[in-house]
Amino acid sequence: DAGVIQSPRHEVTEMGQEVTLRCKPISGHNSLFWYRQTMMRGLELLIYFNNNVPIDDSGMPEDRFSAKMPNASFSTLKIQPSEPRDSAVYFCASSLEGLAGTVQYFGAGTRLSVL
Amino acid sequence: EDKVVQSPLSLVVHEGDTVTLNCSYEVTNFRSLLWYKQEKKAPTFLFMLTSSGIEKKSGRLSSILDKKELFSILNITATQTGDSAVYLCAYMYSGGGADGLTFGKGTHLIIQP
Repeated sequence: DAGVIQSPRHEVTEMGQEVTLRCKPISGHNSLFWYRQTMMRGLELLIYFNNNVPIDDSGMPEDRFSAKMPNASFSTLKIQPSEPRDSAVYFCASSLEGLAGTVQYFGAGTRLSVL
Repeated sequence: EDKVVQSPLSLVVHEGDTVTLNCSYEVTNFRSLLWYKQEKKAPTFLFMLTSSGIEKKSGRLSSILDKKELFSILNITATQTGDSAVYLCAYMYSGGGADGLTFGKGTHLIIQP
């Protein structure tokens, strides 16, 4: 199993540009999570999906952020327009829902730098 | 507001020492407590603790949960330089048919040769 796959690994963009991060969860997992990690705030949950449906997006910082999961094997996190304060590492994780205390497996992350 | 507090924030020890990392939490809808190790990339799973008082072990690492006092510890014995990493504690909560995780800021552990 290839694990959770994220792309790109690194993204450098200018303020105001649109950024799209991509994630392929582990095959068979039906929950998907997007996190952001910064030195100041640590790891923060942005949004999670269960069976492709967004369950909790209360962690999404503002309307500039949006996430979709069109099918069980793909999700995107979009920032439009991007700002320098969005610079962070963005992780995607997936898990099997429905079991007591399921474990989330993380992708390698996308390091985003907004200049 | 739910929160997870880890201590110490950073720790420097010599190879061979034993370390204890602490995690306290104040949460609602608690389901499990997890420990992750993060080196340069993504967090990797170490332990999941659901029941109080039951120690989980994996080689030189062990962890235990106290649900009454709302804390967990992670022990590493005979530390090695490869143990250098940030150790993250997180609680899992239930909501809406799937689980979420709230992380602490982590303990940055440095093992000196």
